[in-house]
Amino acid sequence: AQSVTQLGSHVSVSEGALVLLRCNYSSSVPPYLFWYVQYPNQGLQLLLKYTSAATLVKGINGFEAEFKKSETSFHLTKPSAHMSDAAEYFCAVIELQGAQKLVFGQGTRLTINP
Amino acid sequence: DTGVSQNPRHKITKRGQNVTFRCDPISEHNRLYWYRQTLGQGPEFLTYFQNEAQLEKSRLLSDRFSAERPKGSFSTLEIQRTEQGDSAMYLCASSSYGGAPSAGANVLTFGAGSRLTVL
Repeated sequence: AQSVTQLGSHVSVSEGALVLLRCNYSSSVPPYLFWYVQYPNQGLQLLLKYTSAATLVKGINGFEAEFKKSETSFHLTKPSAHMSDAAEYFCAVIELQGAQKLVFGQGTRLTINP
Repeated sequence: DTGVSQNPRHKITKRGQNVTFRCDPISEHNRLYWYRQTLGQGPEFLTYFQNEAQLEKSRLLSDRFSAERPKGSFSTLEIQRTEQGDSAMYLCASSSYGGAPSAGANVLTFGAGSRLTVL
């Protein structure tokens, strides 16, 4: 079964600094990986997805993620943090059988310091 | 289309009462998912419909939980005899994927969720 692990339940960066949110996956087959963002009292919004095409995936709001098979990682980055990036971020992998449902990590809360 | 709509957004109830949540997916989407999210955790899968057929249920979905999608459009999630442990955000998502398992195309669109508080 596929799964993801997010390292760090809480990350705090200064405005303008690099954002790095870590996600490692476990899968016996090539995975399909996603990053979602959740703002307070809202649902989840898709940031980007990896579907075995380019290993560097660009998403919305200036975020990108790089798929590294050798490290089983799919870390999310943004060169310069903005106050509006403060939110909860979830990494997810899709199960390839049955419901093809998303399996989420436990989330990382990103705080931006002025 | 305004996306996935969930109602009510908030529900406070006393232990032992029944509650029902409704989800209206994006109109052309044939797949509908229910997830539960507790504080500080990622969403956990509850159940899945393809059109009106409920095809998969998680072990998290106890006998007190029932979900329906009678006409393959909106769905309801009912919780009977609520317990304090049922307090959570209940998220609905829909998608239109219908192909073979190159499942990267199965992009789920989520609603804003229904928050349940059981006193």
